[in-house]
Amino acid sequence: DGGITQSPKYLFRKEGQNVTLSCEQNLNHDAMYWYRQDPGQGLRLIYYSQIVNDFQKGDIAEGYSVSREKKESFPLTVTSAQKNPTAFYLCASSMAGRNTEAFFGQGTRLTVV
Amino acid sequence: AQKVTQAQTEISVVEKEDVTLDCVYETRDTTYYLFWYKQPPSGELVFLIRRNSFDEQNEISGRYSWNFQKSTSSFNFTITASQVVDSAVYFCALSEEGYSTLTFGKGTMLLVSP
Repeated sequence: DGGITQSPKYLFRKEGQNVTLSCEQNLNHDAMYWYRQDPGQGLRLIYYSQIVNDFQKGDIAEGYSVSREKKESFPLTVTSAQKNPTAFYLCASSMAGRNTEAFFGQGTRLTVV
Repeated sequence: AQKVTQAQTEISVVEKEDVTLDCVYETRDTTYYLFWYKQPPSGELVFLIRRNSFDEQNEISGRYSWNFQKSTSSFNFTITASQVVDSAVYFCALSEEGYSTLTFGKGTMLLVSP
């Protein structure tokens, strides 16, 4: 089945630790995105990538890093510099530059303990 | 800068009632795209509809309908004869021409009780 896979579904991290969230897609989409969702808030863009080996900061990139070494994969690292990392993280993909709909993964819920 | 406002935080209805979810947007572009997504308790966002700024025709898909009015910068979503399975958070979103990133509203939680 074509789609986006995020793993793990739940993640617990101790303060001061970096953690990497996985996102893989087999839709052959060029563009991939990371959004953060907090209770009662909409989705806010962290990073996005329109093509392999290139990515841009979104509205709330501080404390996060990404890589795009393969078309299918766009991992997100939440670093210790992110002051409030507990949130629901959603990965998405779409065709680049055509304003088509984005397809979303099932999300990773990160909790800092 | 673009902005999407969903003023209704939460709506509760009884099954079979009709319900309208409001969405108001702001953008300086003349070409833009509007979307609605559904987020069930499982968490992933499910695409419902995409509309471009030049197409003001209302759309109906089964029990769902959308009313796009450029004059009031609104793109409202109506569910007719609501069902318990419609319970979810619904997001309205906007993207500008050539940019595939989405600006989301804060969402409206719809609770449909039996």
